[in-house]
Amino acid sequence: TQLLEQSPQFLSIQEGENLTVYCNSSSVFSSLQWYRQEPGEGPVLLVTVVTGGEVKKLKRLTFQFGDARKDSSLHITAAQPGDTGLYLCAGDGGSQGNLIFGKGTKLSVKP
Amino acid sequence: NAGVTQTPKFQVLKTGQSMTLQCAQDMNHEYMSWYRQDPGMGLRLIHYSVGAGITDQGEVPNGYNVSRSTTEDFPLRLLSAAPSQTSVYFCASSYSILGRSNEKLFFGSGTQLSVL
Repeated sequence: TQLLEQSPQFLSIQEGENLTVYCNSSSVFSSLQWYRQEPGEGPVLLVTVVTGGEVKKLKRLTFQFGDARKDSSLHITAAQPGDTGLYLCAGDGGSQGNLIFGKGTKLSVKP
Repeated sequence: NAGVTQTPKFQVLKTGQSMTLQCAQDMNHEYMSWYRQDPGMGLRLIHYSVGAGITDQGEVPNGYNVSRSTTEDFPLRLLSAAPSQTSVYFCASSYSILGRSNEKLFFGSGTQLSVL
Protein backbone atom coordinates (compact mmCIF):
# COMPACT_ATOMS: atom_id res chain seq x y z
CA THR A 1 0.00 0.00 0.00
CA GLN A 2 1.36 3.37 -0.98
CA LEU A 3 1.43 5.95 1.77
CA LEU A 4 2.14 9.66 1.86
CA GLU A 5 3.51 10.98 5.14
CA GLN A 6 3.16 14.70 5.79
CA SER A 7 5.06 16.69 8.35
CA PRO A 8 4.61 18.59 10.49
CA GLN A 9 1.04 17.74 11.36
CA PHE A 10 0.44 21.19 12.91
CA LEU A 11 2.26 24.49 12.41
CA SER A 12 1.49 27.79 14.12
CA ILE A 13 3.58 30.78 13.09
CA GLN A 14 3.53 34.58 13.07
CA GLU A 15 2.81 36.64 9.99
CA GLY A 16 5.99 37.25 7.98
CA GLU A 17 7.74 34.01 8.92
CA ASN A 18 8.84 31.39 6.39
CA LEU A 19 7.87 27.74 6.58
CA THR A 20 8.28 24.42 4.82
CA VAL A 21 6.00 21.41 4.88
CA TYR A 22 7.00 17.98 3.65
CA CYS A 23 5.35 15.08 1.89
CA ASN A 24 7.31 11.83 1.87
CA SER A 25 6.81 8.29 0.62
CA SER A 26 8.78 5.12 0.07
CA SER A 27 6.96 4.72 -3.24
CA VAL A 28 7.53 6.41 -6.57
CA PHE A 29 4.74 8.58 -7.94
CA SER A 30 4.29 9.72 -11.52
CA SER A 31 2.99 13.02 -10.15
CA LEU A 32 2.14 14.74 -6.88
CA GLN A 33 -0.46 17.39 -6.22
CA TRP A 34 -0.85 19.93 -3.44
CA TYR A 35 -4.27 21.09 -2.28
CA ARG A 36 -5.33 23.73 0.27
CA GLN A 37 -8.50 23.31 2.26
CA GLU A 38 -10.21 26.07 4.25
CA PRO A 39 -12.67 25.33 7.08
CA GLY A 40 -16.08 24.24 5.81
CA GLU A 41 -14.89 23.87 2.23
CA GLY A 42 -13.47 21.19 -0.02
CA PRO A 43 -9.80 21.07 -1.01
CA VAL A 44 -8.68 23.22 -3.92
CA LEU A 45 -5.74 22.33 -6.14
CA LEU A 46 -2.65 24.55 -5.83
CA VAL A 47 -0.20 22.77 -8.11
CA THR A 48 0.74 19.50 -9.85
CA VAL A 49 4.39 18.45 -10.15
CA VAL A 50 5.26 15.73 -12.63
CA THR A 51 9.03 15.75 -13.28
CA GLY A 52 11.68 14.67 -10.79
CA GLY A 53 13.54 17.75 -9.52
CA GLU A 54 10.83 20.09 -10.76
CA VAL A 55 10.32 23.40 -8.96
CA LYS A 56 7.14 25.42 -9.39
CA LYS A 57 6.39 28.83 -7.94
CA LEU A 58 2.97 30.27 -7.21
CA LYS A 59 3.51 33.79 -5.85
CA ARG A 60 4.99 33.22 -2.35
CA LEU A 61 4.59 29.43 -2.55
CA THR A 62 7.39 27.23 -3.93
CA PHE A 63 6.78 23.56 -4.65
CA GLN A 64 9.50 21.00 -5.27
CA PHE A 65 9.30 17.41 -6.47
CA GLY A 66 12.16 15.17 -5.35
CA ASP A 67 14.59 13.82 -7.91
CA ALA A 68 13.44 10.26 -7.22
CA ARG A 69 9.76 11.30 -7.32
CA LYS A 70 9.16 9.96 -3.81
CA ASP A 71 8.81 13.23 -1.97
CA SER A 72 7.75 16.85 -2.30
CA SER A 73 7.94 20.03 -0.30
CA LEU A 74 5.98 23.25 -0.06
CA HIS A 75 7.79 26.39 1.05
CA ILE A 76 5.90 29.57 1.93
CA THR A 77 7.80 32.85 2.11
CA ALA A 78 6.55 35.65 4.37
CA ALA A 79 3.41 33.83 5.44
CA GLN A 80 0.17 35.80 5.73
CA PRO A 81 -3.02 35.08 7.69
CA GLY A 82 -4.71 34.24 4.38
CA ASP A 83 -2.37 31.24 4.06
CA THR A 84 -4.09 29.61 7.04
CA GLY A 85 -5.59 26.26 6.15
CA LEU A 86 -5.01 22.54 5.76
CA TYR A 87 -2.40 21.63 3.16
CA LEU A 88 -2.75 18.21 1.59
CA CYS A 89 -0.44 16.36 -0.74
CA ALA A 90 -1.83 13.70 -3.05
CA GLY A 91 -0.32 11.17 -5.41
CA ASP A 92 -1.66 8.95 -8.16
CA GLY A 93 -1.10 5.73 -6.28
CA GLY A 94 -4.43 3.96 -6.06
CA SER A 95 -6.20 1.55 -8.33
CA GLN A 96 -7.46 3.02 -11.61
CA GLY A 97 -5.16 5.93 -10.94
CA ASN A 98 -7.15 7.17 -7.94
CA LEU A 99 -5.49 9.80 -5.81
CA ILE A 100 -4.25 8.91 -2.35
CA PHE A 101 -3.89 11.71 0.15
CA GLY A 102 -1.54 12.49 2.99
CA LYS A 103 -3.10 13.35 6.35
CA GLY A 104 -2.33 17.03 5.90
CA THR A 105 -0.51 19.88 7.61
CA LYS A 106 -2.71 22.31 9.48
CA LEU A 107 -1.18 25.78 9.20
CA SER A 108 -2.18 28.74 11.35
CA VAL A 109 -0.67 32.15 10.59
CA LYS A 110 -1.30 34.72 13.29
CA PRO A 111 -1.31 38.47 12.61
CA ASN B 1 -20.48 27.76 -12.96
CA ALA B 2 -21.86 25.59 -10.15
CA GLY B 3 -19.05 22.99 -10.27
CA VAL B 4 -19.66 20.14 -7.80
CA THR B 5 -22.79 20.52 -5.68
CA GLN B 6 -23.37 18.46 -2.55
CA THR B 7 -26.52 18.29 -0.47
CA PRO B 8 -27.28 18.43 2.38
CA LYS B 9 -24.57 20.51 4.07
CA PHE B 10 -25.34 19.05 7.51
CA GLN B 11 -27.22 15.92 8.60
CA VAL B 12 -27.90 14.17 11.90
CA LEU B 13 -29.03 10.55 11.85
CA LYS B 14 -29.91 7.97 14.42
CA THR B 15 -28.17 4.60 14.35
CA GLY B 16 -29.86 2.32 11.84
CA GLN B 17 -31.42 5.06 9.73
CA SER B 18 -30.70 5.25 6.01
CA MET B 19 -30.06 8.28 3.85
CA THR B 20 -28.59 9.41 0.55
CA LEU B 21 -25.96 12.10 0.13
CA GLN B 22 -26.44 13.85 -3.19
CA CYS B 23 -23.66 14.92 -5.54
CA ALA B 24 -24.04 16.59 -8.93
CA GLN B 25 -21.51 18.15 -11.30
CA ASP B 26 -22.16 20.30 -14.35
CA MET B 27 -18.72 20.02 -15.97
CA ASN B 28 -19.37 16.83 -17.99
CA HIS B 29 -16.69 15.02 -15.97
CA GLU B 30 -16.23 11.29 -16.51
CA TYR B 31 -14.68 10.57 -13.13
CA MET B 32 -16.52 11.03 -9.83
CA SER B 33 -15.63 9.88 -6.34
CA TRP B 34 -16.62 10.00 -2.71
CA TYR B 35 -14.16 10.59 0.15
CA ARG B 36 -14.61 10.76 3.87
CA GLN B 37 -12.45 13.02 6.01
CA ASP B 38 -11.83 12.21 9.65
CA PRO B 39 -9.49 14.00 12.11
CA GLY B 40 -6.02 12.53 11.91
CA MET B 41 -6.98 10.19 9.06
CA GLY B 42 -6.91 12.45 6.04
CA LEU B 43 -9.12 11.86 3.01
CA ARG B 44 -10.04 8.23 2.35
CA LEU B 45 -11.68 7.01 -0.84
CA ILE B 46 -15.06 5.29 -0.40
CA HIS B 47 -16.28 4.60 -3.96
CA TYR B 48 -15.54 5.97 -7.39
CA SER B 49 -16.90 5.90 -10.91
CA VAL B 50 -15.09 6.24 -14.24
CA GLY B 51 -18.27 6.81 -16.21
CA ALA B 52 -22.04 6.34 -16.26
CA GLY B 53 -22.96 2.77 -15.34
CA ILE B 54 -19.52 1.98 -13.89
CA THR B 55 -18.66 2.05 -10.18
CA ASP B 56 -15.95 0.50 -8.05
CA GLN B 57 -14.85 0.30 -4.44
CA GLY B 58 -12.19 2.44 -2.86
CA GLU B 59 -10.30 2.04 0.40
CA VAL B 60 -13.27 2.12 2.83
CA PRO B 61 -16.43 0.97 0.98
CA ASN B 62 -18.19 -1.04 3.73
CA GLY B 63 -21.58 0.38 4.72
CA TYR B 64 -21.93 2.51 1.60
CA ASN B 65 -23.53 2.00 -1.81
CA VAL B 66 -23.27 4.09 -4.96
CA SER B 67 -24.75 4.17 -8.44
CA ARG B 68 -24.03 6.24 -11.55
CA SER B 69 -27.05 6.33 -13.83
CA THR B 70 -26.08 9.66 -15.42
CA THR B 71 -22.82 11.49 -16.04
CA GLU B 72 -23.92 14.32 -13.76
CA ASP B 73 -25.05 12.52 -10.59
CA PHE B 74 -23.25 10.23 -8.14
CA PRO B 75 -25.29 9.67 -4.96
CA LEU B 76 -23.85 7.93 -1.89
CA ARG B 77 -26.23 5.77 0.14
CA LEU B 78 -25.87 4.78 3.77
CA LEU B 79 -28.10 1.74 4.22
CA SER B 80 -27.99 1.48 8.03
CA ALA B 81 -26.06 4.32 9.62
CA ALA B 82 -23.56 3.59 12.38
CA PRO B 83 -21.72 5.99 14.72
CA SER B 84 -18.46 5.02 12.96
CA GLN B 85 -19.84 6.74 9.86
CA THR B 86 -19.81 10.12 11.59
CA SER B 87 -17.53 12.12 9.31
CA VAL B 88 -17.31 14.85 6.69
CA TYR B 89 -18.06 13.51 3.22
CA PHE B 90 -16.69 15.02 0.04
CA CYS B 91 -17.70 14.36 -3.52
CA ALA B 92 -15.06 15.08 -6.17
CA SER B 93 -14.93 14.92 -9.95
CA SER B 94 -12.39 15.08 -12.72
CA TYR B 95 -12.56 15.34 -16.50
CA SER B 96 -10.74 12.05 -17.05
CA ILE B 97 -9.31 9.17 -15.15
CA LEU B 98 -6.68 10.39 -12.75
CA GLY B 99 -3.15 9.14 -13.08
CA ARG B 100 -3.32 9.12 -16.85
CA SER B 101 -3.45 12.82 -17.41
CA ASN B 102 -2.60 14.48 -14.08
CA GLU B 103 -6.10 15.87 -14.00
CA LYS B 104 -7.07 17.75 -10.88
CA LEU B 105 -9.97 16.90 -8.64
CA PHE B 106 -12.79 19.39 -8.18
CA PHE B 107 -14.35 19.01 -4.74
CA GLY B 108 -17.77 19.87 -3.42
CA SER B 109 -18.08 21.79 -0.16
CA GLY B 110 -18.82 18.67 1.89
CA THR B 111 -21.56 17.13 4.01
CA GLN B 112 -21.04 16.98 7.76
CA LEU B 113 -22.79 13.84 9.01
CA SER B 114 -23.35 12.89 12.64
CA VAL B 115 -24.73 9.49 13.57
CA LEU B 116 -26.03 9.26 17.13
